[in-house]
Amino acid sequence: ETGVTQTPRHLVMGMTNKKSLKCEQHLGHNAMYWYKQSAKKPLELMFVYSLEERVENNSVPSRFSPECPNSSHLFLHLHTLQPEDSALYLCASSQELGQGNYGYTFGSGTRLTVV
Amino acid sequence: DAKTTQPTSMDCAEGRAANLPCNHSTISGNEYVYWYRQIHSQGPQYIIHGLKNNETNEMASLIITEDRKSSTLILPHATLRDTAVYYCIVRVVRNQGGKLIFGQGTELSVKP
Repeated sequence: ETGVTQTPRHLVMGMTNKKSLKCEQHLGHNAMYWYKQSAKKPLELMFVYSLEERVENNSVPSRFSPECPNSSHLFLHLHTLQPEDSALYLCASSQELGQGNYGYTFGSGTRLTVV
Repeated sequence: DAKTTQPTSMDCAEGRAANLPCNHSTISGNEYVYWYRQIHSQGPQYIIHGLKNNETNEMASLIITEDRKSSTLILPHATLRDTAVYYCIVRVVRNQGGKLIFGQGTELSVKP
């Protein structure tokens, strides 16, 4: 158990579906992140939340909608996705803003397949 | 954040030391060197980080050159379970907004 839990582990969805990915961290961190990893590509940073405020959105299409209701939970809402959105979606958390260890802790990811 | 250059792949014999190089010639004075690894289809795992001094923990050692333009991650006794992609990242920390940006990394294969 890494301290960052992602559900579901695997998800298959049609292009017209709406689904959500969930991430929960039990580490008391104050920043959370969504990354996307497509086959044979480096991890791409999608969204950054610090103290529950979205501080970065890296030109991600609007069919991906993040939500951070509190410092322990992060969601990624998905709607009308395309097959090229099939990837491993990783959540991470860290303690930022001047305190503690500055490393990121990652979850195990959600393997998303869009059909 | 400064960019890094790593070899695409490396092999290492089981039980031997694995030495993974990283070049970061444009590193700034306030940027740390981080190493992560990603075992197939899992989330990346933090290994070690440092600023200018050499660092050691239970997983690995990090050797940073005096001019800080390159570093080496050392796995002292590689096992088959160390087969993974290893990422070297330079990053500003604290409230300067440094993000973890991943490159292609080095694919390390530990062979029996």
